[in-house]
Amino acid sequence: LAKTTQPISMDSYEGQEVNITCSHNNIATNDYITWYQQFPSQGPRFIIQGYKTKVTNEVASLFIPADRKSSTLSLPRVSLSDTAVYYCLVGDRNQGGKLIFGQGTELSVKP
Amino acid sequence: NAGVTQTPKFQVLKTGQSMTLQCAQDMNHEYMSWYRQDPGMGLRLIHYSVGAGITDQGEVPNGYNVSRSTTEDFPLRLLSAAPSQTSVYFCASSTIAGGGNEQFFGPGTRLTVL
Repeated sequence: LAKTTQPISMDSYEGQEVNITCSHNNIATNDYITWYQQFPSQGPRFIIQGYKTKVTNEVASLFIPADRKSSTLSLPRVSLSDTAVYYCLVGDRNQGGKLIFGQGTELSVKP
Repeated sequence: NAGVTQTPKFQVLKTGQSMTLQCAQDMNHEYMSWYRQDPGMGLRLIHYSVGAGITDQGEVPNGYNVSRSTTEDFPLRLLSAAPSQTSVYFCASSTIAGGGNEQFFGPGTRLTVL
């Protein structure tokens, strides 16, 4: 199973762009890279997912280099409400089905 | 749609007691899973299912049983509760079609074992 490594914590200020990088050296060919956000006392919420290159949605962008051994979640112009834990996850439900979360990155956005 | 529902929201057990955490989804998702999250920690996969009648173990299956008799329901049974099982339990579901890892999570069950 691919294992992910993320920074334990990050600090930012309102209005800044935040980039969180995840390492996944053993990613398999069919694995997707997925990011979740979790607020205290709530279940994780899907943010974005990609397989290669760049993916963008209304919330974030995901950058994946050609070797796919890492990925970067980019949050543009963060606000206080973006303070949360962000999890990187790699896997494919069609290939064995196990979706293992890493330890997550605790993002603190300050005014 | 109610999405993913979990009952109960809170539960206190004594060591050795058994109980079942309920999880249901109304999105006709094939894939369902159970995670536990200890205070200040990440999520750990307990068991998962890729369809009715099919279950498999995750990272930390010991002390837990699951069954999947219908697409909608995926109950988690604690056989003999231990203080080490004090945690928040999250159920999640997703469709398999199209690949990827997008899961929908329930609100969680907060379990304390004394």
